Amino acid sequence: QQQVKQSPQSLIVQKGGISIINCAYENTAFDYFPWYQQFPGKGPALLIAIRPDVSEKKEGRFTISFNKSAKQFSLHIMDSQPGDSATYFCAASKGGNTPLVFGKGTRLSVIA
Amino acid sequence: DAGVIQSPRHEVTEMGQEVTLRCKPISGHNSLFWYRQTMMRGLELLIYFNNNVPIDDSGMPEDRFSAKMPNASFSTLKIQPSEPRDSAVYFCASSVMREKLFFGSGTQLSVL
Repeated sequence: QQQVKQSPQSLIVQKGGISIINCAYENTAFDYFPWYQQFPGKGPALLIAIRPDVSEKKEGRFTISFNKSAKQFSLHIMDSQPGDSATYFCAASKGGNTPLVFGKGTRLSVIA
Repeated sequence: DAGVIQSPRHEVTEMGQEVTLRCKPISGHNSLFWYRQTMMRGLELLIYFNNNVPIDDSGMPEDRFSAKMPNASFSTLKIQPSEPRDSAVYFCASSVMREKLFFGSGTQLSVL
């Protein structure tokens, strides 16, 4: 049973466009929702994260939108650049020191 | 800080052989995680430790897998005997708090 469902599996976006990746979860005990970015040959690295007490968080060109009632959250990359080409993972965890549960990942390609 | 260090970076072995993956977490981090990444299943948590104590190993696929953390600066993941379906990238990650995991560069395991 997959606790965090991520879509799409792959995404191709034109340079300057908006990339949107979506995630859905079932467990209402989740209270922390990060996004990780992974480049080829590297481990994932934390990109941006949100807690359910806010509906949106923005850091530079990256924005998380969070819909608690729908149990969904998404990553928006504005003005996408070729350097953003990577695999993106959404994740979630419950309170305390419980580990992250990851989505299956989205491979983003930004083409010029 | 050198970050999380994993060795070897690549491992090619034959079915039935023992494989040992190694991880040195970031100094001062008290949690350590072993993840496995495949195209089909994404990032799966295998086991995690808090203060060198295994907390949850329910993600370990079979008894062929075992993990140890003899001290705060070293952990191993062992597969004995290895099988072709174990081929994947294995990541070690460490953290102080669950909010930010630092991943190593992974070990690419190929079992022939």
